[in-house]
Amino acid sequence: QQPVQSPQAVILREGEDAVINCSSSKALYSVHWYRQKHGEAPVFLMILLKGGEQKGHDKISASFNEKKQQSSLYLTASQLSYSGTYFCGTGEASGTYKYIFGTGTRLKVLA
Amino acid sequence: DVKVTQSSRYLVKRTGEKVFLECVQDMDHENMFWYRQDPGLGLRLIYFSYDVKMKEKGDIPEGYSVSREKKERFSLILESASTNQTSMYLCASSKLRGRRNTEAFFGQGTRLTVV
Repeated sequence: QQPVQSPQAVILREGEDAVINCSSSKALYSVHWYRQKHGEAPVFLMILLKGGEQKGHDKISASFNEKKQQSSLYLTASQLSYSGTYFCGTGEASGTYKYIFGTGTRLKVLA
Repeated sequence: DVKVTQSSRYLVKRTGEKVFLECVQDMDHENMFWYRQDPGLGLRLIYFSYDVKMKEKGDIPEGYSVSREKKERFSLILESASTNQTSMYLCASSKLRGRRNTEAFFGQGTRLTVV
């Protein structure tokens, strides 16, 4: 039921790039991305609403392919502050009010 | 500043006890959720409520119930706590646009240990 994220964990050096994928078995109307730092609540990063839409926020961007029911988060030139666990949050196109999250990706950026 | 407040950061309860986790939001959001977070499993949805007195099961409702008597308050109840319910519990809320959720805002979480 939960969207599956890959990879489960990734370790980077500062300045390297990373891609996190989110794949759902259900048709989606939106994908949201969140970051959770250790000991804190998840915080919203961005929303993608349309198929094929790509959005950006500083050096973090994302894409949403509604036909494949997949979204990817791109982290460019990573910084130490990017460390944390990333979740995709998904709204199903079936019309339910349900809102579920992916399995999570732990990202650690080293100096 | 928007806020979702959970009543406790840490709780320790005994097996068999009835446990109440409270969540209050001040944003007039329609939809409220309870998730549990376990290592490697992400955030799993227990229950949600899109209106007062309405409740719907999430993916792992067994052993839990909920109550929403007022729009701003959503309670999670563990009828008879068991050790496998030891976890981090996160409450969240979101505004609805039609039947669609906008971004979710989270509380700080309650780390529940059942001994």
